[in-house]
Amino acid sequence: GENVEQHPSTLSVQEGDSAVIKCTYSDSASNYFPWYKQELGKGPQLIIDIRSNVGEKKDQRIAVTLNKTAKHFSLHITETQPEDSAVYFCAASKTNAGKSTFGDGTTLTVKP
Amino acid sequence: SAVISQKPSRDICQRGTSLTIQCQVDSQVTMMFWYRQQPGQSLTLIATANQGSEATYESGFVIDKFPISRPNLTFSTLTVSNMSPEDSSIYLCSAGGDRDEKLFFGSGTQLSVL
Repeated sequence: GENVEQHPSTLSVQEGDSAVIKCTYSDSASNYFPWYKQELGKGPQLIIDIRSNVGEKKDQRIAVTLNKTAKHFSLHITETQPEDSAVYFCAASKTNAGKSTFGDGTTLTVKP
Repeated sequence: SAVISQKPSRDICQRGTSLTIQCQVDSQVTMMFWYRQQPGQSLTLIATANQGSEATYESGFVIDKFPISRPNLTFSTLTVSNMSPEDSSIYLCSAGGDRDEKLFFGSGTQLSVL
């Protein structure tokens, strides 16, 4: 089955700096790669996603890049703010998003 | 987007008892799913809740332990049966994900089994 590895497990940055989280996947048939943000006591919230026919996607301060050849994708957050502090999960799926395989998560802390 | 209401938000239960978690979506959705998230860990899919038929369980999860109902396109329940401390976890309901639909999550049920 699919295996998704996520790094780093924890990331601490200063407010205003950029943060990058990386994931690799094993199944070349995977074609949908979402990123979720989970705040304490809440369920994961989709923040951005990318499909395998696209190499990069951007939404304001958040961007995702995908390298299908290398089977890795990354989340980039620019101009980080304290409210970006949360756990971020990457995921990969080939059928529908509900049957995704999730990474282990990255705890991002943005220090004011 | 879909708004998902899940209850209870948390519960403390005794070993050997059962708990039913309810999930209500504010619009009709094709796909509903149940996940487990153990403390500080990632999400693991328990099963796909199929409307009008038996749920489809992932490896390691069985219907006798986690019976699921899906009577219509907006509602599902997950029961955690004959609980043990190892069942202490967060249980998450999600909806969507079919074709180009985004996946949305409820806020979760934090279960502690004593």
